[in-house]
Amino acid sequence: SQKIEQNSEALNIQEGKTATLTCNYTNYSPAYLQWYRQDPGRGPVFLLLIRENEKEKRKERLKVTFDTTLKQSLFHITASQPADSATYLCALAGLHDMRFGAGTRLTVKP
Amino acid sequence: DAGVIQSPRHEVTEMGQEVTLRCKPISGHNSLFWYRQTMMRGLELLIYFNNNVPIDDSGMPEDRFSAKMPNASFSTLKIQPSEPRDSAVYFCASSFYWTGGNEKLFFGSGTQLSVL
Repeated sequence: SQKIEQNSEALNIQEGKTATLTCNYTNYSPAYLQWYRQDPGRGPVFLLLIRENEKEKRKERLKVTFDTTLKQSLFHITASQPADSATYLCALAGLHDMRFGAGTRLTVKP
Repeated sequence: DAGVIQSPRHEVTEMGQEVTLRCKPISGHNSLFWYRQTMMRGLELLIYFNNNVPIDDSGMPEDRFSAKMPNASFSTLKIQPSEPRDSAVYFCASSFYWTGGNEKLFFGSGTQLSVL
């Protein structure tokens, strides 16, 4: 069956450090992979999209990689700030669906 | 733009009652998704509409759940009869012309459903 796994439920880092979140998947061949941010009591908010033929995508302090051989995506936040504290979700897109991982709760301590 | 609008924000009901959740997608978006989120199961896809037509409802858990999209600006998710295990946050999300992931989803604020 199809699975999307995000490596850890929670990640705590110090302000200014780089946060790295992992998303692994099995039994999928997604053409696109997306990352979302979710704050408590709110709906997920889109951050980045990467295509299967792209190795890396950047947006300001965010960087996403997509390795279709390893079936893995890495999500990096550089120079992290307390305001980056949230749950981050990866999502794999199919023709008629988009399915999400369980998320990683990131806490950036000042 | 007001974004995706869901109502009610919170719903508390008793087991056996009918529950109707409502969603207004962003104007011009032709794809709509209903999700359910719990601590145990995360964000689960329930159903996907394209141009008001249900395309994939394989995630609808039981016959007690039904969803409709009578027009491009309104969708409902109905649970009848409701059970305590249906307690969750229900999200609606819309997208402009979904073609398999090349468009981002815009989520509403969700409906927190509690079935006692």
